[in-house]
Amino acid sequence: GAVVSQHPSRVICKSGTSVKIECRSLDFQATTMFWYRQFPKQSLMLMATSNEGSKATYEQGVEKDKFLINHASLTLSTLTVTSAHPEDSSFYICSARDGGVAYNEQFFGPGTRLTVL
Amino acid sequence: GQNIDQPTEMTATEGAIVQINCTYQTSGFNGLFWYQQHAGEAPTFLSYNVLDGLEEKGRFSSFLSRSKGYSYLLLKELQMKDSASYLCAVMDSNYQLIWGAGTKLIIKP
Repeated sequence: GAVVSQHPSRVICKSGTSVKIECRSLDFQATTMFWYRQFPKQSLMLMATSNEGSKATYEQGVEKDKFLINHASLTLSTLTVTSAHPEDSSFYICSARDGGVAYNEQFFGPGTRLTVL
Repeated sequence: GQNIDQPTEMTATEGAIVQINCTYQTSGFNGLFWYQQHAGEAPTFLSYNVLDGLEEKGRFSSFLSRSKGYSYLLLKELQMKDSASYLCAVMDSNYQLIWGAGTKLIIKP
């Protein structure tokens, strides 16, 4: 089956530092990857959609200069949280869609729990 | 605006049956997904409905009525491991997933 990995699974950092989260599709080519954020007891909130080789599309209210997304290959997308602050502490989840079929299900990575002190 | 509604929390007994409802209002419709999410973990896919009717998959079944903007997830022979949040998501005309807030299901022995 389709597997998506995320690294790291958990990170604790100091306020003001930057954190990079990697999302990889292990056994399929992901032309589209999605980045979500989930606060405790809340649903998934889509942050941005990234297509391989092009700029990411950010949702309203998400600062593109703060959350840098790079989708450099068909199997890798990275999210960098720049100058992290305590309010950025959250569960970040990526998902990937197999190939160019829009209605295909999204396969989720295991998530990254970010804690900013 | 786009809206997905599902109950916040439900409680059921081990071995019983529970139905989790989801109503939606979206810009277009390209299918409805149900995902299961255990605490601290990412969602896992349960079902996909794009046509009206019931889709059965083992102990889980999902129903869709597009004219009513309504779906339900039916869980039979409940097990303690079924305690989780169940997320309803609709794919809109832009093939974007619109997520409900999730229903926390508590199973009691």
